[in-house]
Amino acid sequence: TQLLEQSPQFLSIQEGENLTVYCNSSSVFSSLQWYRQEPGEGPVLLVTVVTGGEVKKLKRLTFQFGDARKDSSLHITAAQPGDTGLYLCAGPYFGNEKLTFGTGTRLTIIP
Amino acid sequence: GAGVSQSPSNKVTEKGKDVELRCDPISGHTALYWYRQSLGQGLEFLIYFQGNSAPDKSGLPSDRFSAERTGGSVSTLTIQRTQQEDSAVYLCASSLYAAQETQYFGPGTRLLVL
Repeated sequence: TQLLEQSPQFLSIQEGENLTVYCNSSSVFSSLQWYRQEPGEGPVLLVTVVTGGEVKKLKRLTFQFGDARKDSSLHITAAQPGDTGLYLCAGPYFGNEKLTFGTGTRLTIIP
Repeated sequence: GAGVSQSPSNKVTEKGKDVELRCDPISGHTALYWYRQSLGQGLEFLIYFQGNSAPDKSGLPSDRFSAERTGGSVSTLTIQRTQQEDSAVYLCASSLYAAQETQYFGPGTRLLVL
């Protein structure tokens, strides 16, 4: 069974602080996606990274794909209450069409 | 344009009853996926449709679960003889073509089996 582990599972920090969320696997991805899910809604895609070592920025969010394409990180600078939500990484493993989702990181930003 | 819609939004049923969950994907999207999410955790893949066929049913947890898709559009997930452990949020997503494309999710159906 292929597993995508995310850490930490829960994170609660003060507004204005920085944080990093990690997504790790023992298998190689062809690409990797990050989603954010708010209560009562489905996940919404934030970014897709494709190339090993790739870094993408989305305002205060920075996404990095590991050189070996087995891991990824999400860094948030100066967190805002609107960043609160469940963050999910997901990727199709090579040779597989379906997405495997990570275990999720529940982020709470305290005003 | 309209996004992915799911119905009902909430369903409470008694153990042993059958339930049907419906998904209306984005118009023109050929791929459709069903996932299950327990207690705000990660998503568990159930089944994937390309058109009306299901190349991957590997995630269906038991033979009580089945799904179909007609006309390359609407899909129905059926759970027979529901059990309490079936309680979860069932999410549907669609994408233009294959899994590597962006998946657009519906709001989910919250199923509670008493």
